[in-house]
Amino acid sequence: SQQGEEDPQALSIQEGENATMNCSYKTSINNLQWYRQNSGRGLVHLILIRSNEREKHSGRLRVTLDTSKKSSSLLITASRAADTASYFCATDAGSGGSNYKLTFGKGTLLTVNP
Amino acid sequence: NAGVTQTPKFQVLKTGQSMTLQCAQDMNHEYMSWYRQDPGMGLRLIHYSVGAGITDQGEVPNGYNVSRSTTEDFPLRLLSAAPSQTSVYFCASSYSTGWSGNTIYFGEGSWLTVV
Repeated sequence: SQQGEEDPQALSIQEGENATMNCSYKTSINNLQWYRQNSGRGLVHLILIRSNEREKHSGRLRVTLDTSKKSSSLLITASRAADTASYFCATDAGSGGSNYKLTFGKGTLLTVNP
Repeated sequence: NAGVTQTPKFQVLKTGQSMTLQCAQDMNHEYMSWYRQDPGMGLRLIHYSVGAGITDQGEVPNGYNVSRSTTEDFPLRLLSAAPSQTSVYFCASSYSTGWSGNTIYFGEGSWLTVV
């Protein structure tokens, strides 16, 4: 079963604009992670936010977590054509933190047009 | 430092054949796992291992076997391939985490087609 669900499924923006993707999940979590996947490639870890954190930044990325609403958002600022990829949220809900047993959403396909 | 290495990259199998997808990591990670990725489905966990000699089932284990004889290697065996196993397979590894979570490293994927 899918724990995380990203929204929207697809997003097309112009270079320089901001891109916001949302993720909703169903059960309590230890942490939530965002990954990027370029076409035909493996997943690359972007950022991890723990259940006791509300916001985290990494370069042009900003992630928020609202555990009361069971939702997270990923903001990419000043997007570039190279940001074109699929973005996945993944939740770790295992007891004691089972980092090996993530549950992934279906992803958001982001297209950044030059 | 190669990270997580998967072989083969592409494979075509006939229904009923068996094969092994290889996965190796050189980061001395305790945890390793296998996921499959199907269109519109995201990634689903097949099997995972928390250390050498210890494996367990994930969400979609049927039709697959794993073993973990060494820390470095975590092969995935398809016992009798079926068209439903056509997918992209990803191996992943990470350190043990406790509650805090750690970065998971993924291989580049193995594209499997069963005809």
